[in-house]
Amino acid sequence: AQSVTQLGSHVSVSEGALVLLRCNYSSSVPPYLFWYVQYPNQGLQLLLKYTTGATLVKGINGFEAEFKKSETSFHLTKPSAHMSDAAEYFCAVTPYSGAGSYQLTFGKGTKLSVIP
Amino acid sequence: DTGVSQDPRHKITKRGQNVTFRCDPISEHNRLYWYRQTLGQGPEFLTYFQNEAQLEKSRLLSDRFSAERPKGSFSTLEIQRTEQGDSAMYLCASSLPGGSGNTIYFGEGSWLTVV
Repeated sequence: AQSVTQLGSHVSVSEGALVLLRCNYSSSVPPYLFWYVQYPNQGLQLLLKYTTGATLVKGINGFEAEFKKSETSFHLTKPSAHMSDAAEYFCAVTPYSGAGSYQLTFGKGTKLSVIP
Repeated sequence: DTGVSQDPRHKITKRGQNVTFRCDPISEHNRLYWYRQTLGQGPEFLTYFQNEAQLEKSRLLSDRFSAERPKGSFSTLEIQRTEQGDSAMYLCASSLPGGSGNTIYFGEGSWLTVV
């Protein structure tokens, strides 16, 4: 079984400051990891994903995340926050194969506010 | 590529009524998923189709819920005898064939309010 814990349901940063959204996962098999963003009253848009290969993954809008197996973490970062980054962010995990693959298990989300 | 399309976007219904949501996936995507999202929570998996075959169903999908994908293209999610606890956003998503690392593309969701 898989699970995701996102530390902090609400994070506030100043415009231009570093964004750090934390995600820890639990998985009995090697995981594939995803970050999605959701704007109000909209669906989810993929920011980035880790499947295999390089553990530092770059995504859209300047975001990146690093898969750390030893820490079971996949934290999302952006060097400089922009007002348009204000949204809710979801971390998700799926096993790379076997039972439950193709099912994304999501965390509860972190709402990011950007202060001008 | 017009994205995943869902209809209706919003539905208000009285408790006990039946509702149906439709999803049109991205063309050539043979995998289709339904998720449910309640306020303050992340999406939760409901069910998954590969072509017309329903391959996985969550225990969240009670007997009042039924999903179909009759010709392997669009899908419908029906909720019978709605309850207030069914109020949520129902998200449809699709992906190309291949491994579980393939990107899953989500629609904008269908909001259900049961009064």
